[in-house]
Amino acid sequence: GPKVLQIPSHQIIDMGQMVTLNCDPVSNHLYFYWYKQILGQQMEFLVNFYNGKVMEKSKLFKDQFSVERPDGSYFTLKIQPTALEDSAVYFCASSSPGAETLYFGSGTRLTVL
Amino acid sequence: GDQVEQSPSALSLHEGTGSALRCNFTTTMRAVQWFQQNSRGSLINLFYLASGTKENGRLKSTFNSKESYSTLHIRDAQLEDSGTYFCAAEAGGSNAKLTFGKGTKLSVKS
Repeated sequence: GPKVLQIPSHQIIDMGQMVTLNCDPVSNHLYFYWYKQILGQQMEFLVNFYNGKVMEKSKLFKDQFSVERPDGSYFTLKIQPTALEDSAVYFCASSSPGAETLYFGSGTRLTVL
Repeated sequence: GDQVEQSPSALSLHEGTGSALRCNFTTTMRAVQWFQQNSRGSLINLFYLASGTKENGRLKSTFNSKESYSTLHIRDAQLEDSGTYFCAAEAGGSNAKLTFGKGTKLSVKS
């Protein structure tokens, strides 16, 4: 099936540093999403993005978070500065116009020390 | 409270047997997706339903938006079916934002 790639699969950083998580969505998809999963818990919606803009974000999408997809390259989630509670697995997803099925990447495990 | 209530939280099956997972919704949902999260953490798409029933191999899923629930039936369980199963539902007008259940951890034993 369609593949969403996430790079890196693991990232360890010190609290206060900046981190950028990269997502290569399915090639003809135009809607992009980030979800957060703390170990052993359910996935929680962070943000969705279309046509260069954030469409909707949750209260988990703190001011320190930002997303962009410059010139059709990676769809990125940047956290600056990071906090201990940002440790989680972050999943990227994408979907195509008119098709509601979301396809997820394998996640980036972020550990903030 | 949670919009998506998933049960059971854990399930143990012997190979060859079957069971059903269920998600109840506390608000009107327009579609539901079911995923299997494997041991590596990857999410595998199982079903997308806006209504009715779909079947794929040993899996069958139903979504009843009027009565606010969805089910996933597994029959003839195999060892590779082990993992955590999530339902995720989309409310109307939500820009495809999915709200996930807490998951069902399935262990299939030989």
